[in-house]
Amino acid sequence: KAGVTQTPRYLIKTRGQQVTLSCSPISGHRSVSWYQQTPGQGLQFLFEYFSETQRNKGNFPGRFSGRQFSNSRSEMNVSTLELGDSALYLCASSSGTNYEQYFGPGTRLTVT
Amino acid sequence: KNEVEQSPQNLTAQEGEFITINCSYSVGISALHWLQQHPGGGIVSLFMLSSGKKKHGRLIATINIQEKHSSLHITASHPRDSAVYICAASGGGADGLTFGKGTHLIIQP
Repeated sequence: KAGVTQTPRYLIKTRGQQVTLSCSPISGHRSVSWYQQTPGQGLQFLFEYFSETQRNKGNFPGRFSGRQFSNSRSEMNVSTLELGDSALYLCASSSGTNYEQYFGPGTRLTVT
Repeated sequence: KNEVEQSPQNLTAQEGEFITINCSYSVGISALHWLQQHPGGGIVSLFMLSSGKKKHGRLIATINIQEKHSSLHITASHPRDSAVYICAASGGGADGLTFGKGTHLIIQP
């Protein structure tokens, strides 16, 4: 079975721009969660999607949004990028909430 | 809000030593996850447990629900075990996973 894939792997953007990151879950997994990892804050939960519905949301501003498609692929979008958005963005797929999560390799976003 | 604390933050040991990493949380949870992150960022889920003990190869994870505490043990440690180990709690009134700060483990040959 193919693992979780994320594209792109690396991205450099300028302050004020927007960015879209993509995540393809393991086949058959309907839950996709997104996380942000920074040296200062560590890993933080962004949101979880299950069957195209956002089920949970972390404590992030509205500039962070996401969606899930009928094939369970998910995208997250960050608008009006700030320097502090520079981070490793990880997605994880699972069979559902409170099931083991399988992580993708991450997208490293640098905002200049 | 669940607080997840890990100790130690950094640990350097010699190959072959028995390693213990501790994790405590402040409110009841539905499951406790142990994750391993190697340089470069990739995260692997090692264990998910809600009670008792689980073993996989040289790795053992235990959880004490009453004391709100979990431990990850590595027996016969090897340099390839060098990584950051992160515990995370799910449930406990919080949405998504709440993560500890991680333990940076270095095993010297």
